[in-house]
Amino acid sequence: DAGVIQSPRHEVTEMGQEVTLRCKPISGHDYLFWYRQTMMRGLELLIYFNNNVPIDDSGMPEDRFSAKMPNASFSTLKIQPSEPRDSAVYFCASSLVPRPSSGNTIYFGEGSWLTVV
Amino acid sequence: AQTVTQSQPEMSVQEAETVTLSCTYDTSENNYYLFWYKQPPSRQMILVIRQEAYKQQNATENRFSVNFQKAAKSFSLKISDSQLGDTAMYFCAFMKRGNQFYFGTGTSLTVIP
Repeated sequence: DAGVIQSPRHEVTEMGQEVTLRCKPISGHDYLFWYRQTMMRGLELLIYFNNNVPIDDSGMPEDRFSAKMPNASFSTLKIQPSEPRDSAVYFCASSLVPRPSSGNTIYFGEGSWLTVV
Repeated sequence: AQTVTQSQPEMSVQEAETVTLSCTYDTSENNYYLFWYKQPPSRQMILVIRQEAYKQQNATENRFSVNFQKAAKSFSLKISDSQLGDTAMYFCAFMKRGNQFYFGTGTSLTVIP
């Protein structure tokens, strides 16, 4: 099976521009997560979906960030307008269950490295 | 290619006892970082401990310590005096130059009262 697929792998953009990050979860997984990784704060949960419905978006930093999941096989994380402090690695992950459980786990994509200049 | 392997899908430990979680990785890089993350039911990912590959001394953070064996490409996490709040998924992760992260599949740890 293919893993979680993210695109783009790397993006450099100018401040003020719109950035769209894309994710294809593992087929059959019910949950999709967006995380942001910085060396200062580690991995932060931004938002997660269950069956395409946003469940918890309390980690979304501000209104400039939005996420959608129009169907079970695709999600986007959008930043508009982007700022230099948004520079980070953004991870998408998917799983079958939301809590630690025997035999189930969360699978991460390889991340999208965003640089805003 | 870089890979991170956690061979223990689940483990349990009695409260106040010590438990060790295993992690091995494969890389041709010489300079890299290794991490252990904890994911409680809130689904947040909490950084537990970090190790720079160029440092021979094993990292320690309170009750958490690692056994870093660079030649063997092994990076195990030891939790001493286990507490109920340690119940969570634990992920081993590898980062190489260029900020590329690779995660293991996780170990589900249950601390039994």
